[in-house]
Amino acid sequence: GQSLEQPSEVTAVEGAIVQINCTYQTSGFYGLSWYQQHDGGAPTFLSYNALDGLEETGRFSSFLSRSDSYGYLLLQELQMKDSASYFCAVPSTTDSWGKLQFGAGTQVVVTP
Amino acid sequence: DTEVTQTPKHLVMGMTNKKSLKCEQHMGHRAMYWYKQKAKKPPELMFVYSYEKLSINESVPSRFSPECPNSSLLNLHLHALQPEDSALYLCASSRIRQDGEQYFGPGTRLTVT
Repeated sequence: GQSLEQPSEVTAVEGAIVQINCTYQTSGFYGLSWYQQHDGGAPTFLSYNALDGLEETGRFSSFLSRSDSYGYLLLQELQMKDSASYFCAVPSTTDSWGKLQFGAGTQVVVTP
Repeated sequence: DTEVTQTPKHLVMGMTNKKSLKCEQHMGHRAMYWYKQKAKKPPELMFVYSYEKLSINESVPSRFSPECPNSSLLNLHLHALQPEDSALYLCASSRIRQDGEQYFGPGTRLTVT
């Protein structure tokens, strides 16, 4: 089976940096995705890491270490609009090939 | 263009009604998905279509019936639903089935009375 663990909630002030960690246990592995979802909205794709290392897209960066079964999403220069749930996810490599397995989600609360 | 559209945005239906949810994408993606999401939970996969063929059914009750008329369209037919089926129903698409980069539509907020 597959399981992903991420913190349930993170609170930070505007302008700060937040790191959301995700550890995974899978029988096979293709890569790690990150999605953002605002209350009442739909998930929005942020990044997908198939290889080790850091990928930067504007204020958001995503990191993967395959040897440690670990990744993180880094949110820099936090803004109020970054208040949302963030999900890490991995594509299934076994019985449900094509299924995206999501973590439980991390609620990020940005305060003034 | 990375847009997936869904209609309707909101739907209220009784337990004896029949209704359909519609989804459309024009990104040339060959995999399309239906998810169900309850409040404060991650999306839960229901069905996967790959090249217009149903490839995954996550043991979804038969009162939910998916259909893929062509490579751009995905429908979810609803019949005799239960109040516990009330949720946000999300459609998504990706280039191929095994792809961690999925694009979601805005969802249909379904209430079963």
